[in-house]
Amino acid sequence: SQTIHQWPATLVQPVGSPLSLECTVEGTSNPNLYWYRQAAGRGLQLLFYSVGIGQISSEVPQNLSASRPQDRQFILSSKKLLLSDSGFYLCAWSVLAGVGEQFFGPGTRLTVL
Amino acid sequence: SQQGEEDPQALSIQEGENATMNCSYKTSINNLQWYRQNSGRGLVHLILIRSNEREKHSGRLRVTLDTSKKSSSLLITASRAADTASYFCARVLFSGSARQLTFGSGTQLTVLP
Repeated sequence: SQTIHQWPATLVQPVGSPLSLECTVEGTSNPNLYWYRQAAGRGLQLLFYSVGIGQISSEVPQNLSASRPQDRQFILSSKKLLLSDSGFYLCAWSVLAGVGEQFFGPGTRLTVL
Repeated sequence: SQQGEEDPQALSIQEGENATMNCSYKTSINNLQWYRQNSGRGLVHLILIRSNEREKHSGRLRVTLDTSKKSSSLLITASRAADTASYFCARVLFSGSARQLTFGSGTQLTVLP
């Protein structure tokens, strides 16, 4: 069966510090991978998606970046965090060229102080 | 921008009652999905309805889709306290091998015991 892992679960970082959030998927190959951000009490905002290694599409211009160094690994990064980067970050995967059903990780709660 | 919007934003009902949530969208879809999110957790896929379907059932869930009105509804029958969660609709658009989901802002459902 497929599983998706995210870490860390929670993170408190000062403004201006770097960020690295990691997501890995097990039990499937060639997945579509996604990063979302969710503000408190709100819906999900798609940040990045990837259909293959090294292929990243950005949906929202910001100071975040994403990379996919391996088939089942998706990393969200920032060189300098802003207060507005605080939120709940969710990674998800779906079957490549499937119907679009997405499977979500447990999320990372990021607080920037 | 989010193109799927749910209403109501919040719904509070007694256990055993039915809960109905609505979703509207603005552009075309390949399919529409409903997800559930418990507080502080990742989203869980509930049900998918294709653009050429009008109604679908899964257990206590019933989803309808009216593409002429660009709207969908999710009905949860005989609600239980464990159904308390946020519910999101997601418009799905196929773009090559990518599957882009656009989430609404969600309905917070509270089922009182």
